[in-house]
Amino acid sequence: DAGITQSPRHKVTETGTPVTLRCHQTENHRYMYWYRQDPGHGLRLIHYSYGVKDTDKGEVSDGYSVSRSKTEDFLLTLESATSSQTSVYFCAARGLDNSPLHFGNGTRLTVT
Amino acid sequence: QKEVEQDPGPLSVPEGAIVSLNCTYSNSAFQYFMWYRQYSRKGPELLMYTYSSGNKEDGRFTAQVDKSSKYISLFIRDSQPSDSATYLCAMSAWRGQGGSEKLVFGKGTKLTVNP
Repeated sequence: DAGITQSPRHKVTETGTPVTLRCHQTENHRYMYWYRQDPGHGLRLIHYSYGVKDTDKGEVSDGYSVSRSKTEDFLLTLESATSSQTSVYFCAARGLDNSPLHFGNGTRLTVT
Repeated sequence: QKEVEQDPGPLSVPEGAIVSLNCTYSNSAFQYFMWYRQYSRKGPELLMYTYSSGNKEDGRFTAQVDKSSKYISLFIRDSQPSDSATYLCAMSAWRGQGGSEKLVFGKGTKLTVNP
């Protein structure tokens, strides 16, 4: 168990509504990441954080924002959900440079 | 050319077989190499983590890195039905002290081990 918990595990929402996914870690890791995983695309980085209030964009950041007000929590917000954001979202974390990522068990989001 | 290429499979083998999973890459700056196992509806789980070329063994699993050929492999000996999962390779390069990281994942190979 990597000490990473994602909530909710499943969510169905309507197009145009805002959605917030939560990632909580208990290992005091400095770095946290949000990925989405889609068939044919694999894991794609959305946003990451390298410390409290320090975040940066990944390769598929459009339509997403993040916040990290505490070391243990990293929130991903879909400002106005679209059907193309239907996906499985994974949070990951690591403590040190050069150490591998550890993942949570994902949030399955469906936008109708 | 994609930075990381991984055959998606699916790969189906009988129980007890030796399984070989592979990735090729194009960026010679990659220094750290990882294999993750992902069961259905679960997050990727780190299996092996290696630095530079050579072999690393952990139980029935062996990770092999050949930097000269830009090729990494994961071998599973005496495969079991519980090894049925998708296996993702990943590799990273760090741009100097305090610098940023480039981390790339393969798209995964789906393995089924039949009893």
